[in-house]
Amino acid sequence: KQEVTQIPAALSVPEGENLVLNCSFTDSAIYNLQWFRQDPGKGLTSLLLIQSSQREQTSGRLNASLDKSSGRSTLYIAASQPGDSATYLCAVIVSGGSNYKLTFGKGTLLTVNP
Amino acid sequence: DTEVTQTPKHLVMGMTNKKSLKCEQHMGHRAMYWYKQKAKKPPELMFVYSYEKLSINESVPSRFSPECPNSSLLNLHLHALQPEDSALYLCASSPQTGSTEAFFGQGTRLTVV
Repeated sequence: KQEVTQIPAALSVPEGENLVLNCSFTDSAIYNLQWFRQDPGKGLTSLLLIQSSQREQTSGRLNASLDKSSGRSTLYIAASQPGDSATYLCAVIVSGGSNYKLTFGKGTLLTVNP
Repeated sequence: DTEVTQTPKHLVMGMTNKKSLKCEQHMGHRAMYWYKQKAKKPPELMFVYSYEKLSINESVPSRFSPECPNSSLLNLHLHALQPEDSALYLCASSPQTGSTEAFFGQGTRLTVV
């Protein structure tokens, strides 16, 4: 059974700092990996999708990497801002025939202090 | 347009009530999902619809009944729920082929009293 672990569970940093969130998964037979952001009581906002053949993806101040063989992904946030405060969720996407399923980690709660 | 729209945003229902949650997307996605999320927990998959057919049911109790009337709509019918069913219910969609990027709605906050 695929298990996804995110470290740390919570992180508090001062504004402007660069930071790294970690995600690991137990079964390397994934199709893709997706990072999300969730604000309290809200839905999930897709940040980055990394296909299994890719090593990294970038969007603005965000950079996500994927090492499928070691079962790891990182989300790098540059020059953090208070508006980045949210829970960040990593999800691995596995294929079961014609279906795709997302398995989530428990998330990292990020607080960026002004 | 990468929007998935869920209604209502909030719902309070009694244990004997029947209610429905609705989800709509106009991205042409052929896979649609229901997830349940309890406080401070990750989303848990409930159902997957692929080309309007139920393809995955993660052993969800029968008091939750999904329906996919067409490729843009997904409903979740609720009946005889328990207080422990109170949660944020999230709908998502993805293209099914090619990119598997999933897009989520803002959720329905359900409270069962």
